[in-house]
Amino acid sequence: AQSVAQPEDQVNVAEGNPLTVKCTYSVSGNPYLFWYVQYPNRGLQFLLKYITGDNLVKGSYGFEAEFNKSQTSFHLKKPSALVSDSALYFCAVRANTGGFKTIFGAGTRLFVKA
Amino acid sequence: DTGVSQDPRHKITKRGQNVTFRCDPISEHNRLYWYRQTLGQGPEFLTYFQNEAQLEKSRLLSDRFSAERPKGSFSTLEIQRTEQGDSAMYLCASRTPGDTGELFFGEGSRLTVL
Repeated sequence: AQSVAQPEDQVNVAEGNPLTVKCTYSVSGNPYLFWYVQYPNRGLQFLLKYITGDNLVKGSYGFEAEFNKSQTSFHLKKPSALVSDSALYFCAVRANTGGFKTIFGAGTRLFVKA
Repeated sequence: DTGVSQDPRHKITKRGQNVTFRCDPISEHNRLYWYRQTLGQGPEFLTYFQNEAQLEKSRLLSDRFSAERPKGSFSTLEIQRTEQGDSAMYLCASRTPGDTGELFFGEGSRLTVL
């Protein structure tokens, strides 16, 4: 069975500082991994994905994520946080063995202080 | 690309009434998903369509819930005899053919059962 764990309910960071939002996963076989962001009263927006190849993937709004197979992790990072990055972030996983179900974590609220 | 659209955006109903939500996916997307999201939680998978075929239905769904995608285009999610526990945001998402695509979400339909 697939599962995603986001161990932090909330991450607080000062504007201009680097940020990390953690994610670990469990899936049979190799994973496709995704990050989404949700602003208040809005649907989820895709940020980036890992499919294969380079373990460091870059996405929208300056975000990047590092895939670590041995630690089954896919942490979201940004070198310099902005107040406008404050939102709810979801990590998601889908098995690459012909699977179709994308499973989401519980989410991490990012709060960037000016 | 007009995105994924959902209707209605908000629905308030009394316990015991039936409600129906509609989702119009991105036109070239043959895969369609329904998720449910409650406050502070990640999206929970409900059901999945590939074209008009419903390939999986979550055990979360009681038989009061039914979903259709009759012509492989728009989809409807009906909840019969609503209960207060059905109050949630119902999210629709679609994605392209193939295994590696990300989900594109609509803005959601918020259900409040009084």
